[in-house]
Amino acid sequence: GAGVSQSPSNKVTEKGKDVELRCDPISGHTALYWYRQSLGQGLEFLIYFQGNSAPDKSGLPSDRFSAERTGESVSTLTIQRTQQEDSAVYLCASSLAGTSDQETQYFGPGTRLLVL
Amino acid sequence: AQKVTQAQTEISVVEKEDVTLDCVYETRDTTYYLFWYKQPPSGELVFLIRRNSFDEQNEISGRYSWNFQKSTSSFNFTITASQVVDSAVYFCALTLFSGGGADGLTFGKGTHLIIQP
Repeated sequence: GAGVSQSPSNKVTEKGKDVELRCDPISGHTALYWYRQSLGQGLEFLIYFQGNSAPDKSGLPSDRFSAERTGESVSTLTIQRTQQEDSAVYLCASSLAGTSDQETQYFGPGTRLLVL
Repeated sequence: AQKVTQAQTEISVVEKEDVTLDCVYETRDTTYYLFWYKQPPSGELVFLIRRNSFDEQNEISGRYSWNFQKSTSSFNFTITASQVVDSAVYFCALTLFSGGGADGLTFGKGTHLIIQP
């Protein structure tokens, strides 16, 4: 079956612009995660969705970051008024809750964001 | 808070050599999951293995083997008879059982493995 997909694969934007990143989880996966990977910070956990609910948003780096999920499918991560320090690879993962494999997260290819 | 340490930032070996990647973790919880992921140059994180904290049995999968020791809080990964295709960045990660996934994965900084032909 299809894996996690993300779009766009690459995004170049100017400082101050808004960007929207999209994640399509594996079909049937109820849990969805966003991470950020940068040279300085390594892999950072940003936010988790169970269904369309995100119980804890404290991992988002600032109030310029927001995330939504429609039902148990597509999620979008929006960064408003982008800054150069937002440049990173944004990774999405999904997992199948309610089974013995529920803790295993499967990752998408990522969106490489460059803020000029 | 949890912490995962991969002290080896980069390892370079010649093909066919055995190589061990170290992972040490810290958590106050007694139940947790440990993972290894591979990130080849293409960038996608590939799941390799998951281990539960209450199962210390070591595991072998082909040329890959994992040694989990709770007494030393270590979860080391050995590649036997390494191949050029094994070249990648390898990440060790941890998540708590109690969180049900809500805490996300805590990753180490990764070990860049270079296999020279």
